[in-house]
Amino acid sequence: RKEVEQDPGPFNVPEGATVAFNCTYSNSASQSFFWYRQDCRKEPKLLMSVYSSGNEDGRFTAQLNRASQYISLLIRDSKLSDSATYLCVVNLGGSYIPTFGRGTSLIVHP
Amino acid sequence: GAVVSQHPSRVICKSGTSVKIECRSLDFQATTMFWYRQFPKQSLMLMATSNEGSKATYEQGVEKDKFLINHASLTLSTLTVTSAHPEDSSFYICSAREAQGPNNGYTFGSGTRLTVV
Repeated sequence: RKEVEQDPGPFNVPEGATVAFNCTYSNSASQSFFWYRQDCRKEPKLLMSVYSSGNEDGRFTAQLNRASQYISLLIRDSKLSDSATYLCVVNLGGSYIPTFGRGTSLIVHP
Repeated sequence: GAVVSQHPSRVICKSGTSVKIECRSLDFQATTMFWYRQFPKQSLMLMATSNEGSKATYEQGVEKDKFLINHASLTLSTLTVTSAHPEDSSFYICSAREAQGPNNGYTFGSGTRLTVV
């Protein structure tokens, strides 16, 4: 089993749709979780941290499920500009080193 | 917010030559920086953790004599790809974190696209 696993997609959705991604992680003692966005041939950029109680930032909602060891990202009212690869990042166990998932590709079409 | 400056953004070199990539933290000190490599349509793979004033920690399978890392100051880490070969062609990215704390994310440099011909 990979340490941080994501469905690579692509998820192909129309504008205005709601889309959700999940990411599973292997180490139950992990404490820090993040979602990053990466555009083609660019560096990843932090989208949001994921808090234990879940958190929301505009159209984006992140959730953590410790019992099942996964985090999720929900995007409401998708925009064309949301098209990108979304990377799940976990500091596995007590490590300060971030481990990346493979990324989930999102394509929002008109 | 925190900014990490990386250059060059793109480099083409001949087989057998060496290439140096610089990563600077602007307006903050980074005792630790991370170097990643990303092949097309694949995830970022950690190559090494660069520690200021001490030797870098390399991931399994990464040759330390081929990928030389120097972290001589709190704001600068360099990665030198020595005797580059075409299979070293990849996207190299560095990252650092401005502040500690479990919910503080990492800032990435803009990446260096290396092509070895």
